[in-house]
Amino acid sequence: DVKVTQSSRYLVKRTGEKVFLECVQDMDHENMFWYRQDPGLGLRLIYFSYDVKMKEKGDIPEGYSVSREKKERFSLILESASTNQTSMYLCASNPRIATGTEAKNIQYFGAGTRLSVL
Amino acid sequence: RKEVEQDPGPFNVPEGATVAFNCTYSNSASQSFFWYRQDCRKEPKLLMSVYSSGNEDGRFTAQLNRASQYISLLIRDSKLSDSATYLCVVNKATDSWGKLQFGAGTQVVVTP
Repeated sequence: DVKVTQSSRYLVKRTGEKVFLECVQDMDHENMFWYRQDPGLGLRLIYFSYDVKMKEKGDIPEGYSVSREKKERFSLILESASTNQTSMYLCASNPRIATGTEAKNIQYFGAGTRLSVL
Repeated sequence: RKEVEQDPGPFNVPEGATVAFNCTYSNSASQSFFWYRQDCRKEPKLLMSVYSSGNEDGRFTAQLNRASQYISLLIRDSKLSDSATYLCVVNKATDSWGKLQFGAGTQVVVTP
């Protein structure tokens, strides 16, 4: 079974704090993702990494950065937390897909971190 | 226009009944389609992939209509445990890394 582990289920931080969200996967997947999920908006991609030290901005990268120093670990960093970053954060991973195998492009999610910024 | 659109519901379904709902997607070049299930305050989990010819997994049937750009999910003989939010997921057609686009979800509530 694929296991994606997020370091915290719940976090409460103050405005202006630097926040680290950690994600570890044990299936040797190349791709890792950070999403945030807000009511009525669904999952929105913050950042994506397709290999160690490689990253790509998603749809809403502003206010966030990421780090991927090891294949199994993908960290999301809020440099200076703000109240509008209160959300559910979800990490996901999947293996790199070959062309023609798009039906196998399944992402596996961690349990999520519910972050409140006060 | 959103890339993936779903009726948010809720769909209130008596136990044992059938419920069906659709999802529309905007990019005709999309190739992979999925339904994920998300329980309250939990992570999304894959329910089933959706194949061109339609496919069934127990009480769940998924259909793809490429001409009209929608996928559907039908749940037969609904159980209380089917209460969840169902997310429609489509690949980003212009993306070579396999990124996915998620709908906001359709809530299903099965009542005794």
